[in-house]
Amino acid sequence: GAGVSQSPSNKVTEKGKDVELRCDPISGHTALYWYRQSLGQGLEFLIYFQGNSAPDKSGLPSDRFSAERTGGSVSTLTIQRTQQEDSAVYLCASSFSGGYGYTFGSGTRLTVV
Amino acid sequence: AQKVTQAQTEISVVEKEDVTLDCVYETRDTTYYLFWYKQPPSGELVFLIRRNSFDEQNEISGRYSWNFQKSTSSFNFTITASQVVDSAVYFCALSGGGTSYGKLTFGQGTILTVHP
Repeated sequence: GAGVSQSPSNKVTEKGKDVELRCDPISGHTALYWYRQSLGQGLEFLIYFQGNSAPDKSGLPSDRFSAERTGGSVSTLTIQRTQQEDSAVYLCASSFSGGYGYTFGSGTRLTVV
Repeated sequence: AQKVTQAQTEISVVEKEDVTLDCVYETRDTTYYLFWYKQPPSGELVFLIRRNSFDEQNEISGRYSWNFQKSTSSFNFTITASQVVDSAVYFCALSGGGTSYGKLTFGQGTILTVHP
């Protein structure tokens, strides 16, 4: 597609449930990044993929968070046993190797009630 | 560790005023990249500019200009003759070079409101 696509755009879930957030990067972009934007913490890096490998997972806040990328394309961020503090906008970005064309998606707004 | 500080949390101006958004960064990398992004009410992060650490030339793009000074670790952004459509949250960000490129460290953002 023309841009980075994220789905769903909004998600409301009950505390304790698992959620999956999806990111479709721009075709040909080998690098993919997940960020979280919350009121208290601002914009935080979560994880970076180069192809299907994740050389940097340093930003994942706990072991309830995991992510995978398949076929060097789509990525899924999974949050298990959601907590209210997980409420945030989750942003995905992709780029060519070396960072060229770095583009953000519109984000998924997650609300845990 | 890398750090980005945006001194102004909120700025309010009247249309046609010039406004400067400050950004100060900390890094131990010799190769690094600096960015500015705009986040309008729609929420999407819009790329404005990227500069690398070896290029201190100031840049102008229409009403936007950027002043990069390594001596003071600053990368300030000026909007000339501001317009209502410039109202948004503006983020300054920093990344390292090499394999660290793309892992952005963001400032807390500056909320700019331009009144008609």
